[in-house]
Amino acid sequence: QQQVKQSPQSLIVQKGGISIINCAYENTAFDYFPWYQQFPGKGPALLIAIRPDVSEKKEGRFTISFNKSAKQFSLHIMDSQPGDSATYFCAAITGGNEKLTFGTGTRLTIIP
Amino acid sequence: DAGVIQSPRHEVTEMGQEVTLRCKPISGHNSLFWYRQTMMRGLELLIYFNNNVPIDDSGMPEDRFSAKMPNASFSTLKIQPSEPRDSAVYFCASSFRGRALGDTQYFGPGTRLTVL
Repeated sequence: QQQVKQSPQSLIVQKGGISIINCAYENTAFDYFPWYQQFPGKGPALLIAIRPDVSEKKEGRFTISFNKSAKQFSLHIMDSQPGDSATYFCAAITGGNEKLTFGTGTRLTIIP
Repeated sequence: DAGVIQSPRHEVTEMGQEVTLRCKPISGHNSLFWYRQTMMRGLELLIYFNNNVPIDDSGMPEDRFSAKMPNASFSTLKIQPSEPRDSAVYFCASSFRGRALGDTQYFGPGTRLTVL
């Protein structure tokens, strides 16, 4: 059972544009939502995370928008750069539990 | 800090052989996770330990898979006998489980396993 649905599967954005990746969840017990970034040949690394008591969190060019009522959250990458080309995973976790439930991943390619 | 260390980085073996993957977590971390990544199934949690004790092994595919954590600085994931469908990248991750919600998991570079 896929508890976190992620879209799109792949995304191509021009340099300087905005990259948007969406995720939706079903389990209302989830209360922490991290995004991981993975470069080829590397393990995933935490990029940014949000708790459901806020609607937005921004760190540099990366912003998470969170809609609790719709059970959706998204990652926005502003001024996308070729170095942002990677696979991005959304994830969710339940308080008191250490198990991360990952989305299926989005392969992002930034073209010059 | 060296980060999470995994060995070997690549493993090619024949069906039926035993495979052992190794992981050294970040010093001071008390939780350790084993994941498997494939194109078809994405990132799957196989098992995780807290303070060297297995907490949840519900993701372990079948009895051919076993994991141990004999001490705080070492864990193994063993597949015996291996099958071609076990071909994947296996990641180890560690974290410090404190009181804060959402302890960051730090992933190793992975072991790419190919079973012929």
